[in-house]
Amino acid sequence: QKEVEQDPGPLSVPEGAIVSLNCTYSNSAFQYFMWYRQYSRKGPELLMYTYSSGNKEDGRFTAQVDKSSKYISLFIRDSQPSDSATYLCAMSSNRDDKIIFGKGTRLHILP
Amino acid sequence: NAGVMQNPRHLVRRRGQEARLRCSPMKGHSHVYWYRQLPEEGLKFMVYLQKENIIDESGMPKERFSAEFPKEGPSILRIQQVVRGDSAAYFCASSPMSGSRTGELFFGEGSRLTVL
Repeated sequence: QKEVEQDPGPLSVPEGAIVSLNCTYSNSAFQYFMWYRQYSRKGPELLMYTYSSGNKEDGRFTAQVDKSSKYISLFIRDSQPSDSATYLCAMSSNRDDKIIFGKGTRLHILP
Repeated sequence: NAGVMQNPRHLVRRRGQEARLRCSPMKGHSHVYWYRQLPEEGLKFMVYLQKENIIDESGMPKERFSAEFPKEGPSILRIQQVVRGDSAAYFCASSPMSGSRTGELFFGEGSRLTVL
């Protein structure tokens, strides 16, 4: 079983829809959870960072972590064509300094 | 521009040649990570360095690959005797402290290696 599982998509939704992106993981030591956005031919950039379980909201983005289920989510409200990108979940633990990424989900917002 | 600078952006090598990829972290950042990205495979951790020290190289292949981050100058990822399977995008990221604590790695735009 891979440490981090993420559906690669592609996921196509109409503009204005709510988008739900998810990852599951197997390492119970993970405590830090991140979502990165990567546009084509560019480097990833951090969108959201959460520690342990719970929710975090930033504008149209909400990150959720459920450590009991080893499941994290990113919600995008009022999706825009400019949100079209690849979204990568990432996580790390206190045991080492590696940040492990999922494969990324390609998202297309249709105007 | 004070962002992470990677060069070259594109590099073509023939099998058996050496590839050197350079990464200048953001000003004030002393932590550097290297990742490899293949289509459909996401970002795979290779190595984590602090100035003059390799902290974690558990993602690096045991042979042909090496990395350094000298006191002065950029971090270098070196691939000797390249093979076609080394073709990928190599991303460098930097942070002012351990990235796992802050979650924020600042990525460069990548170096795309093609092995003929």
